[in-house]
Amino acid sequence: GNSVTQMEGPVTLSEEAFLTINCTYTATGYPSLFWYVQYPGEGLQLLLKATKADDKGSNKGFEATYRKETTSFHLEKGSVQVSDSAVYFCALSDGTGNQFYFGTGTSLTVIP
Amino acid sequence: DTAVSQTPKYLVTQMGNDKSIKCEQNLGHDTMYWYKQDSKKFLKIMFSYNNKELIINETVPNRFSPKSPDKAHLNLHINSLELGDSAVYFCASSLLSQAPYSPLHFGNGTRLTVT
Repeated sequence: GNSVTQMEGPVTLSEEAFLTINCTYTATGYPSLFWYVQYPGEGLQLLLKATKADDKGSNKGFEATYRKETTSFHLEKGSVQVSDSAVYFCALSDGTGNQFYFGTGTSLTVIP
Repeated sequence: DTAVSQTPKYLVTQMGNDKSIKCEQNLGHDTMYWYKQDSKKFLKIMFSYNNKELIINETVPNRFSPKSPDKAHLNLHINSLELGDSAVYFCASSLLSQAPYSPLHFGNGTRLTVT
């Protein structure tokens, strides 16, 4: 079956620190992978995506590479800001597109 | 020019009441979803409609009934509300014809509080 596992939070970092949020997946077929961000009181917004192996998604300084050999899609950012404080969700879309599978979310707090 | 809009944003009601949440998308998507997010931020799929046809119906109490009058709208009606229904409900949409590449687009959520 399909599933997504991401590191548990909460994560607290100082401003300008390096961020990694781990995400691994199991899937049948050829899924697409996504990172979503949820700011307080808001809905989930697409942060970045990758649709095939070795693709790198990037947006707003965040990056993630679709690694089929390790079934991973880790989120990274070189220098976090206070405004990056949010909950981050890793997700996959299976080949049918009917179903999306979400990780449990990782809460990030960045302190000045 | 909101892409996925849902109303109301907040809903406070008493146990036993019936309430509805409305959702509309103007993205031209053919598939719409309802998700429930609990207090720990865990997201659970409830329903999915493709071109007004129900395609995902997870284990949800039958007090919850989705209705899709057309492919741009998906409403959620909840009968006999219970305390455990308190959560944030998100509507989302995607383009099934571009699966699996088309991401989900979410509304801003409806925070339901049952007292």
